[in-house]
This record gives sequence, structure tokens and C-alpha cells, in this order.
Amino acid sequence: NAGVTQTPKFRILKIGQSMTLQCTQDMNHNYMYWYRQDPGMGLKLIYYSVGAGITDKGEVPNGYNVSRSTTEDFPLRLELAAPSQTSVYFCASSYGLRETQYFGPGTRLLVL
Amino acid sequence: KQEVTQIPAALSVPEGENLVLNCSFTDSAIYNLQWFRQDPGKGLTSLLLIQSSQREQTSGRLNASLDKSSGRSTLYIAASQPGDSATYLCAVWNNFNKFYFGSGTKLNVKP
Repeated sequence: NAGVTQTPKFRILKIGQSMTLQCTQDMNHNYMYWYRQDPGMGLKLIYYSVGAGITDKGEVPNGYNVSRSTTEDFPLRLELAAPSQTSVYFCASSYGLRETQYFGPGTRLLVL
Repeated sequence: KQEVTQIPAALSVPEGENLVLNCSFTDSAIYNLQWFRQDPGKGLTSLLLIQSSQREQTSGRLNASLDKSSGRSTLYIAASQPGDSATYLCAVWNNFNKFYFGSGTKLNVKP
């Protein structure tokens, strides 16, 4: 099993541009999560999904959108990128909510 | 809002020492607490998960304890090794499906 995979690994965006961060898991987990990690800080939950077609906001959802059309994929969309969105983004999945999460390697995003 | 604090932010110890990492949280109404390890430039790896009804969990040289009433958890690492060098983060799920992380303790185990 590949576990949780994320693409791209690194991206530079200009202010106002849009992009989609991809996340795929092959463990047939129901739950998937998106986090951001700013330098020297812990992770903050952006959005999570409890299954295909169902998503909910986390602590810092503003400026982001998500969708979950399949069990495997949970893309994160940034519209109108801002410098404040410069961060490392992690995707994770778990079988049940509040159970052990498995993380992807992260996407480093720089907005200039 | 739940606040999760980890002190110290960094710790350096010689190889072989037993050590304790601390995690405190402000709201005791938690569902569970998890400890993670993060290596530089990598994602997180789950180490231990303690349910709110449990007092401790053990995995190999790691032991995590939970005192919900005082809002504290500790991660005990026995006989530390250079390979244990990483950042250790704790995180709590509250009863409203929100997940909060501490900022981590960066551990350096010197050979």
C-alpha cells in the first residue's frame, strides 16, 4: 500500500492565482483531513470529510474549498492565493473519526 | 477554545537517557489524546493514542500517560537513541469533533 500520497511536493504561486492540492489514500479509510502547518507551529485543521460527498469545516477553513467525490481522493482548492496561505499542507486519513491518522508527506506552498 | 501547549520547545539529551516530554491542554473535555513524531521535511507518524477513559498507553520504549482532570499528558522515552531525534507533537480531539495540536518539542539525542 502506498498509504497517503500528496501532489505536488512544492509549488510557488503568485498572489491571486488558484491551485488544487491533490490527496489520495489507498487504505479504504472513511475519514480524510487537510491541515496546514506554519513554521514552528503545530498543525491546524482546515477541513475534514466523513465519506464521499460529506465534508465539514475545521479550525481555519477560510480561503479554501474541498470536495470528496470518491473514497480515495480529497482535493483541497485554494482560490485567490494570499501570502498568508504560505505554509506546509498535510493530508491525512483514518478509518474512523478521532482514530489514528495516517499522514501524507506534505505539500510546501509559497505564495509571493 | 482548546489550547494545547508543549514545553520545552526544544530538548537536547545524551544517548541512553530516559526523558519526559510534556503536553498540557486547557479544556479537559477531550475524547482522546494522540502523540505524533515528525521528522524534518516529512509527514507525521502516530505513536500512541490514549482514550479519555485511559490512564496510559505503551509501545516499546514509549509510554504515554494522561491526567485529564489536570489537563496533562506526558510521553516517556526510555533509553533514548539518536534515531529518536525528531519533533514530537501532541494533539487532542474534543467532544465537538475539533482536533487541536501543540506546537511540538524538538528532541535531539546526542551520540
